[in-house]
Amino acid sequence: RKEVEQDPGPFNVPEGATVAFNCTYSNSASQSFFWYRQDCRKEPKLLMSVYSSGNEDGRFTAQLNRASQYISLLIRDSKLSDSATYLCVVHSGGSNYKLTFGKGTLLTVNP
Amino acid sequence: DGGITQSPKYLFRKEGQNVTLSCEQNLNHDAMYWYRQDPGQGLRLIYYSQIVNDFQKGDIAEGYSVSREKKESFPLTVTSAQKNPTAFYLCASSIDKLGEQFFGPGTRLTVL
Repeated sequence: RKEVEQDPGPFNVPEGATVAFNCTYSNSASQSFFWYRQDCRKEPKLLMSVYSSGNEDGRFTAQLNRASQYISLLIRDSKLSDSATYLCVVHSGGSNYKLTFGKGTLLTVNP
Repeated sequence: DGGITQSPKYLFRKEGQNVTLSCEQNLNHDAMYWYRQDPGQGLRLIYYSQIVNDFQKGDIAEGYSVSREKKESFPLTVTSAQKNPTAFYLCASSIDKLGEQFFGPGTRLTVL
């Protein structure tokens, strides 16, 4: 099992649609989790951290299921500006500072 | 403004030459990181540093070297031993080991 695995995509959705991304991780000792977005030829930018209780930021909702080692990101009412690659990121656990990045899922929101 | 800067944005070098990529942060973060990203691939960790004068190899350290003489600076040298150096190089920093990482704008290195 890969350390961090995401839906391969790409996702093409119309404006206003709801889209969900899924991610699984292999290290049960992982302690922190994030979703980043990366625009074409730009650096990744933090979208939101993911907490065990789940968290919401406007149209974005992130969920963590530690038992299943599963993370999700839900985007409601998609906007054209949401078009980007979404990266699932997991702290590898242990005493080091290492984050492991998924390969990302490309989302295109169409007018 | 606080942030991470990388320079140059684009860099071209000939085979056999060493080149150094700059990374500076004024966020007062202890930890700094270097990644490379190839087209269609995820980020891969080259080196990271938890504190000044200390650094560890990441997953793909061969052909690279770093230094951490100051908290604010973490330069990466791509040596001639790196067999496939053309890539997008990203520097990041974080306040602690569980915190989110913040990225610089990246340097695109092309070997001619």
